Amino acid sequence: DTGVSQNPRHKITKRGQNVTFRCDPISEHNRLYWYRQTLGQGPEFLTYFQNEAQLEKSRLLSDRFSAERPKGSFSTLEIQRTEQGDSAMYLCASSFENYEQYFGPGTRLTVT
Amino acid sequence: AQTVTQSQPEMSVQEAETVTLSCTYDTSENNYYLFWYKQPPSRQMILVIRQEAYKQQNATENRFSVNFQKAAKSFSLKISDSQLGDTAMYFCAFSDMDSNYQLIWGAGTKLIIKP
Repeated sequence: DTGVSQNPRHKITKRGQNVTFRCDPISEHNRLYWYRQTLGQGPEFLTYFQNEAQLEKSRLLSDRFSAERPKGSFSTLEIQRTEQGDSAMYLCASSFENYEQYFGPGTRLTVT
Repeated sequence: AQTVTQSQPEMSVQEAETVTLSCTYDTSENNYYLFWYKQPPSRQMILVIRQEAYKQQNATENRFSVNFQKAAKSFSLKISDSQLGDTAMYFCAFSDMDSNYQLIWGAGTKLIIKP
């Protein structure tokens, strides 16, 4: 198993554009989490999937953000009409049940 | 709501010394998990150690050990024989069933190991 992977690793976009990130979890992990981390801060929870069901979304997640996990495998996080405040590192983590979460390398988004 | 506090923004020690990072948390739950994660510069988050609240015995992983004081809601990390590769941001995190085991994070402590 190669661990959690995320693509792209870096994304630079202009304000107002849409972006989509992908996360491939560890294959036997049924839970998948998205977090956002700004420079010098701890991560903040965005959303959570158990298998293909999105069971929780943070109040931080505006309606410009949407996430999917079709068939309970990989997940995508889309941000529509990006704003400069969306610039951050987007982290994906997976776990089996309530065991520890394993993180991917993150996608660094810069909105210009 | 659960909160996690790390009161040391930055620490530095000489290589081979022992260092202790502090973490306190607030919760009304009795069953929960606590974690220390390490984030080296420009690298991904790595789990250092995990503690289940129902276990009285403190967790240890090689040079890393915790001092878990449930009544005081304190969860400190001790790194023995520190190495240059221990230089990183260290985050304390909390999770429980009520929040679907999402991680609630402290602000982090930047640890610098000096040669």
